[in-house]
Amino acid sequence: GDSVTQMEGPVTLSEEAFLTINCTYTATGYPSLFWYVQYPGEGLQLLLKATKADDKGSNKGFEATYRKETTSFHLEKGSVQVSDSAVYFCALREQDDKIIFGKGTRLHILP
Amino acid sequence: DVKVTQSSRYLVKRTGEKVFLECVQDMDHENMFWYRQDPGLGLRLIYFSYDVKMKEKGDIPEGYSVSREKKERFSLILESASTNQTSMYLCASIAPWDRPYEQYFGPGTRLTVT
Repeated sequence: GDSVTQMEGPVTLSEEAFLTINCTYTATGYPSLFWYVQYPGEGLQLLLKATKADDKGSNKGFEATYRKETTSFHLEKGSVQVSDSAVYFCALREQDDKIIFGKGTRLHILP
Repeated sequence: DVKVTQSSRYLVKRTGEKVFLECVQDMDHENMFWYRQDPGLGLRLIYFSYDVKMKEKGDIPEGYSVSREKKERFSLILESASTNQTSMYLCASIAPWDRPYEQYFGPGTRLTVT
């Protein structure tokens, strides 16, 4: 079945550092891809999305590009802030609307 | 701006009790989902529903059941709670495939079974 693999955390960076969180997927068909963020004590929020190959999703300074040839959707941000500390989930949406999640990557940003 | 609400943020129940977790959405979405979130395991799908009175098993349905009597409400039921059901439970409401941006999660219910 479809699956999502993302880098294990925790990831610890200093403020203003460059961030990359790797995500790869396996899927039949052409899924939509997403990154969700979960701040401490809260539910999941949709951070960004891409629905077809070569689409770039972006929001709040984060970006990810749907790479069909490498089945990847890596999350990047040029300069992280303390407020970006959270758990990040890569996910794909199947044709039947089910969402498959990666295991999550905890990000700590040090001031 | 309320979109998905869950009946409780924190819940403590005893082994063997029947537990109801409720989820309500105000977006008229057909699709609703229940996940549980555990450290190191991510989110795993328990049950989902594409419409009123419809339900489908997800990846880990054992020990759970669901009810969808109204479009806006999707309930998760633990028939006889056990300690291995201690977890964070998340409800999601998702628009159909042609509106993939419309996906919302509730704040979660942290259930402890003692």
